[in-house]
Amino acid sequence: DIVMTQSPLSLAVTPGEPASFSCRSSQSLLHNNGYNYLDWYLQKPGQSPQLLIYFGSIRASGVPDRFSGSGSGTDFTLKISRVEAEDVGVYYCMQALQTPFTFGPGTKMDIK
Amino acid sequence: QVQVVQSGAEVKKPGASVKVSCKASGFTFVNYGVSWVRQAPGQGLEWMGWINTYNGDTNYAQKVQGRITMTADTDTTTAYMDLRSLRSDDTAIYYCSYSGNSGTLRVDYWGQGTLVTVSS
Repeated sequence: DIVMTQSPLSLAVTPGEPASFSCRSSQSLLHNNGYNYLDWYLQKPGQSPQLLIYFGSIRASGVPDRFSGSGSGTDFTLKISRVEAEDVGVYYCMQALQTPFTFGPGTKMDIK
Repeated sequence: QVQVVQSGAEVKKPGASVKVSCKASGFTFVNYGVSWVRQAPGQGLEWMGWINTYNGDTNYAQKVQGRITMTADTDTTTAYMDLRSLRSDDTAIYYCSYSGNSGTLRVDYWGQGTLVTVSS
């Protein structure tokens, strides 16, 4: 199985400041079609997860443009350009290249 | 409007089975695949498997292979996840997620989650 790691495991950010999340995979997630099969999800407190980014860098429908994803192969980054209070929760990356799809342990973000 | 509604919480004894439903409305059922993901208390997310609602093809995580069956009823636009031989470590919130395209972008619609408690 592909192992996903994330760092940091937690962070606290001041509203209006940027935030950055790192995700690494034990194998390359780059498919021969040129896409990286890496999703980012946010699970807000008490809620179901929601998709933010797919194929490593494409914002899902309805996701604000302050969220951006980058990276390729085994190293990926999610950035929030200006954190808002509603962005608190746990951010998970998930590889969708091969089954079983696997999630990272998550990064919990709080507001300072 | 789009709605994904899961069945209510369940309490089961070890060795029993549970069937969780996931009713979709407001979008074209057969254009979306359904993933099932679970979350043990205080833990992270675990992918359990996926079903193609159009042709019924499935792909299960090896960890639950042999104990799980996913189905999709196109008449009632409802997906189901059946888990057998329940153990205490199956205690979790079970989520369904419909994944497809809205225009050119991918969209996921998640259910509210179903708590399954396995306890003697």
